[in-house]
Amino acid sequence: GAVVSQHPSRVICKSGTSVKIECRSLDFQATTMFWYRQFPKKSLMLMATSNEGSKATYEQGVEKDKFLINHASLTLSTLTVTSAHPEDSSFYICSARMGDRNIQYFGAGTRLSVL
Amino acid sequence: DQQVKQNSPSLSVQEGRISILNCDYTNSMFDYFLWYKKYPAEGPTFLISISSIKDKNEDGRFTVFLNKSAKHLSLHIVPSQPGDSAVYFCAASAGGAGSYQLTFGKGTKLSVIP
Repeated sequence: GAVVSQHPSRVICKSGTSVKIECRSLDFQATTMFWYRQFPKKSLMLMATSNEGSKATYEQGVEKDKFLINHASLTLSTLTVTSAHPEDSSFYICSARMGDRNIQYFGAGTRLSVL
Repeated sequence: DQQVKQNSPSLSVQEGRISILNCDYTNSMFDYFLWYKKYPAEGPTFLISISSIKDKNEDGRFTVFLNKSAKHLSLHIVPSQPGDSAVYFCAASAGGAGSYQLTFGKGTKLSVIP
């Protein structure tokens, strides 16, 4: 199956610092990548859709200046949480869509804890 | 407004028996449905999918049934194994509209008892 690598798996940072999370499709080219956030006992909440070489499309209520997304290549997308605050602490998961198939393959997620 | 609903937050099943996980949706534009399995602190793993032109798709121990008129789908796991214990998410997309975004349900935690 398609493999998506997400790094780091866990990060602890101080309030006010920025954190970058990487998402890579290892064995396929991903024209579209997605970034989700999961709150405890809640479903996956789509934050943004990222297409290679173009600006990300953010969902309503997601601050694009706070959650910077860069999709520099067909195999790499990054999410940068800028000036992180404790309320940004969450589980962030990326996914990648392979070709024309309407299936998303997920990374292992990143647990962000902001002190 | 929750467009994909998994009304059972949890389900316990004896090993070897059938597990049936249910999912309802409200958006009639959804035309592709997926089931994902998720362990704690990991990303979801794709299990099986079904297009709205079908009413059944089978892959090994996993079968997904779709009832379009009722806007209902279910995932059957038989026989259930302890390793199947996880949270199962139902997801849907309206891919025909050119959007590949997935809308997820809240998940059902399945516990398979040895």
